[in-house]
Amino acid sequence: NSKVIQTPRYLVKGQGQKAKMRCIPEKGHPVVFWYQQNKNNEFKFLINFQNQEVLQQIDMTEKRFSAECPSNSPCSLEIQSSEAGDSALYLCASSLGKNTEVFFGKGTRLTVV
Amino acid sequence: GQQVKQSSPSLTVQEGGISILNCDYENDMFDYFAWYKKYPDNSPTLLISVRSNVDKREDGRLTVFLNKSGKHFSLHITASQPEDTAVYLCAAGQQGTGSKLSFGKGAKLTVSP
Repeated sequence: NSKVIQTPRYLVKGQGQKAKMRCIPEKGHPVVFWYQQNKNNEFKFLINFQNQEVLQQIDMTEKRFSAECPSNSPCSLEIQSSEAGDSALYLCASSLGKNTEVFFGKGTRLTVV
Repeated sequence: GQQVKQSSPSLTVQEGGISILNCDYENDMFDYFAWYKKYPDNSPTLLISVRSNVDKREDGRLTVFLNKSGKHFSLHITASQPEDTAVYLCAAGQQGTGSKLSFGKGAKLTVSP
């Protein structure tokens, strides 16, 4: 069973609203990833962190998405102004960072109406 | 663009047969290759992985074959069983702390009794 905890499991927002989802990585994992699985089943990498620092992020994340992984608090991914095209399954994953094996949470399914 | 591609979105195999799932990648720098399994409404879990210093790895009924010159890797499942029915995602990336994985879209394997 996955030890990466994501909340909420389901999220419904109107266009233009903020959408925020949270992730508690597996204990002891310093590296956290966010992926978006869209309706075409494409896994799109969004952003990753090592401890509290951003390692990599894509352009989309830089503009409308904000993410953070504060110490002693859950990581979060927030969409500032939701658009219909943001409707997707958002998966958080964590790893030890020594290799690229990652462990996924169950995801937050966002629906923007 | 899609850095990792699974050209066949679905595959049906008779129970007891061999399931073969294929994956192509674009980035010459990738040196880590993995297969994840995903049941409906559940998170992907790592099945088997291989690093670029080998061209084959076996684990029980699973074998990963890596063809670096062809930028291709595959998963073979022998003695396929109905419980193998799931979506299989291939992933590739570069070793190194925090390096992101690029995923294929997934392929639905159905093992019929």
